[in-house]
Amino acid sequence: TQLLEQSPQFLSIQEGENLTVYCNSSSVFSSLQWYRQEPGEGPVLLVTVVTGGEVKKLKRLTFQFGDARKDSSLHITAAQPGDTGLYLCAGARVGNQFYFGTGTSLTVIP
Amino acid sequence: KAGVTQTPRYLIKTRGQQVTLSCSPISGHRSVSWYQQTPGQGLQFLFEYFSETQRNKGNFPGRFSGRQFSNSRSEMNVSTLELGDSALYLCASSLVGPNTEAFFGQGTRLTVV
Repeated sequence: TQLLEQSPQFLSIQEGENLTVYCNSSSVFSSLQWYRQEPGEGPVLLVTVVTGGEVKKLKRLTFQFGDARKDSSLHITAAQPGDTGLYLCAGARVGNQFYFGTGTSLTVIP
Repeated sequence: KAGVTQTPRYLIKTRGQQVTLSCSPISGHRSVSWYQQTPGQGLQFLFEYFSETQRNKGNFPGRFSGRQFSNSRSEMNVSTLELGDSALYLCASSLVGPNTEAFFGQGTRLTVV
């Protein structure tokens, strides 16, 4: 059983469209990270959110941590082909235990 | 500051052999975790080491083992390789403490034939 569920699992959109990826859990995490991974490479950390209700922006990417620190969302505005990749969320708990989501594979078509 | 370094990047092994993968964490990071990633199963946690001690372990058979050295470098070993062990093996290092973040290496692509 996966502790973190991501939706959608696959997403294919046209360049310029907006999209939102969700990361949901019934468990509370001390912090939550978002990663992007390209084929054959390791995940690259995009952002860490710590406080319930926190919103962070990274250029066209907006990350939100749920008030109860159980869920998060990633919103991309005006998607570009360079945004293509696998997006992973990860929840952290005490003891350096990281729980990874199921992943969302995003394809942005030029 | 150098990132997480994993060696080798690619490996091809025969069923029944054993393999050792290496991971050098970011300087100052004392926690090292290992993950197996396959298309069907996603990112699966193998184990986590801190100060040369295994603190957490995932649900993998005993053929998967690891260790950490005094300089925080870590190795993982897989014995009696099976075809299903073909995967991308990822190592992540992190500081210890609240709100810590995991930083990944590029991974080792293991193919068992």
